[in-house]
Amino acid sequence: GESVGLHLPTLSVQEGDNSIINCAYSNSASDYFIWYKQESGKGPQFIIDIRSNMDKRQGQRVTVLLNKTVKHLSLQIAATQPGDSAVYFCAETPPGSARQLTFGSGTQLTVLP
Amino acid sequence: AAGVIQSPRHLIKEKRETATLKCYPIPRHDTVYWYQQGPGQDPQFLISFYEKMQSDKGSIPDRFSAQQFSDYHSELNMSSLELGDSALYFCASSLTAGGADRTQYFGPGTRLTVL
Repeated sequence: GESVGLHLPTLSVQEGDNSIINCAYSNSASDYFIWYKQESGKGPQFIIDIRSNMDKRQGQRVTVLLNKTVKHLSLQIAATQPGDSAVYFCAETPPGSARQLTFGSGTQLTVLP
Repeated sequence: AAGVIQSPRHLIKEKRETATLKCYPIPRHDTVYWYQQGPGQDPQFLISFYEKMQSDKGSIPDRFSAQQFSDYHSELNMSSLELGDSALYFCASSLTAGGADRTQYFGPGTRLTVL
């Protein structure tokens, strides 16, 4: 079936470097994508979202890029900090669904001192 | 800012027992969602309610039921608990009316352990 998934299960970066977390989705009709950050034992925390009519959206230290041609989503974190260490999930809202999110497999980001 | 509240935060039950999880959405949010997250897995959508009516249904077992009340809080009722039901259960809420904002905000979760 169609799903959202991440390329890499783990990512380690040096503190201060930029991080890039990738996500591939297979449902070309999906029109809304979200990145969540989840720390151990806590609920997913909204980071940034993007609609399918956009290619790029920026937040504070984060940028989401959407490439509809290759059905690819990425999250860029600038100047990665120790507090950024967490599991990052991309999620999509399938078309025709009221609002339910389909999550991809998470990427564990570890920030090294 | 007020967030989604879930209770209890931790729950331990025996097999075949029942459990009730509660969710209090962000004030003025009209939609509630329930997700189940097993160890090392991504959250899986269970069910959602908009304006007290079921709006979407995912992989929710027949042993589970849920409802949204007039004050918009929601309860997830789980019966005949099985070991495999041990998981984190998250509630999320959003403001659906108007259609502009589709962001779902998650609560801290309830960790259910079935022994």
